[in-house]
Amino acid sequence: NAGVTQTPKFQVLKTGQSMTLQCAQDMNHNSMYWYRQDPGMGLRLIYYSASEGTTDKGEVPNGYNVSRLNKREFSLRLESAAPSQTSVYFCASSERLAGVREQYFGPGTRLTVT
Amino acid sequence: DQQVKQNSPSLSVQEGRISILNCDYTNSMFDYFLWYKKYPAEGPTFLISISSIKDKNEDGRFTVFLNKSAKHLSLHIVPSQPGDSAVYFCAASPPGSARQLTFGSGTQLTVLP
Repeated sequence: NAGVTQTPKFQVLKTGQSMTLQCAQDMNHNSMYWYRQDPGMGLRLIYYSASEGTTDKGEVPNGYNVSRLNKREFSLRLESAAPSQTSVYFCASSERLAGVREQYFGPGTRLTVT
Repeated sequence: DQQVKQNSPSLSVQEGRISILNCDYTNSMFDYFLWYKKYPAEGPTFLISISSIKDKNEDGRFTVFLNKSAKHLSLHIVPSQPGDSAVYFCAASPPGSARQLTFGSGTQLTVLP
């Protein structure tokens, strides 16, 4: 099992460009999440999908859109990148069994917007 | 307003000694708490968790303590090893089906040989 995979690993964009970050999990998890990590701020939730077919905003959704393509895949789109979106982006997934709260993370995408 | 706070950005400990990482939270709705470990250029990995119905959970060298009245939890690592050097994130989750986590800002642990 690969767990949670993310592509690309690194990306440099110019202000105003668009791009989609891809995430896939092979653990048959119901819920998937997108976070960003900035220095000194921990991980902040951008969007999440509690189950296939649903998406909801997290703490910092402005400037992003998401698509839960199927149970395995959850993509994050930046329509018009801004320097403030320079960050490391992590995708995660979790099961929805009773008593299970832990999430499993991908290796991250380091995005720089110039 | 940070609902989960890790007030120590860094901690250095000698190999073999105890490492104690602390975390405070403000939201009384949180009922599940987790610790994650993160190495550079990797995603966070789940370490240990505790439900609010318990005050202690142990897994090998790692023990998490929860003090609900103080809204405080701590992670003890005994004995500390150089491979434990990483950033440790505390996270908290409210009840509900979405399994959302709120993370602290992390503590960089360095275990000196």
